Amino acid sequence: QPVLTQSSSASASLGSSVKLTCTLSSGHSAYIIAWHQQQPGKAPRYLMKLEGSGSYNKGSGVPDRFSGSSSGADRSLTISNLQSEDEADYYCETWDSNTVVFGGGTKLTVL
Amino acid sequence: VQLVESGGGLVQPGGSLRLSCAASGFAFNNYSMNWVRQAPGKGLEWVSTIGRSSSNTFYADSVKGRFTVSRDNAKNSLYLQMNSLRAEDTAVYYCARKMPGAVSDYWGQGTLVTVSS
Repeated sequence: QPVLTQSSSASASLGSSVKLTCTLSSGHSAYIIAWHQQQPGKAPRYLMKLEGSGSYNKGSGVPDRFSGSSSGADRSLTISNLQSEDEADYYCETWDSNTVVFGGGTKLTVL
Repeated sequence: VQLVESGGGLVQPGGSLRLSCAASGFAFNNYSMNWVRQAPGKGLEWVSTIGRSSSNTFYADSVKGRFTVSRDNAKNSLYLQMNSLRAEDTAVYYCARKMPGAVSDYWGQGTLVTVSS
């Protein structure tokens, strides 16, 4: 089954941009993933589905500041014009025939 | 789309609990559903998936043989029967809708299960 690897933490300044990356394990570089945001004390929220081609489909109400991109086994989430409410944990998710897999999550701090 | 979990609470080790997830705002019978949990201070962990017609069910190794997922499409409801509960099952449990052949796209607000004596 696939394994998703994420950096444990990231930080960036208010108004700047940040790129978070989720890396698929060997042999799974073509897999589609999802990005989810979890603000403190809240349930996860679906942000987007991201394909290996770099094509992505965002969820309802997700701001234009959020975008996705892909390069090989890397699936990236870029947040532009960072806002204080973007401080959250970000998880990637994928699935195989019988399994759903989550990355360990990246805690984003907005400075 | 709305998903509302219920049934969480405090239970002793070895005990049982049944979680429910009430779905609305979409054609429930057209979607597979996931249960995902989050232990305090930890990341998301997949628990179980059930297909649209209950014919296919899948479980994480950590809960296989102890948890049973089911659904009632007539009631737009998803369930998770949890038996032989352990301290390590303590977590917030979320139900999530699974896009056809793809990832989760809507989440409930979660229900807390605490396993402790």
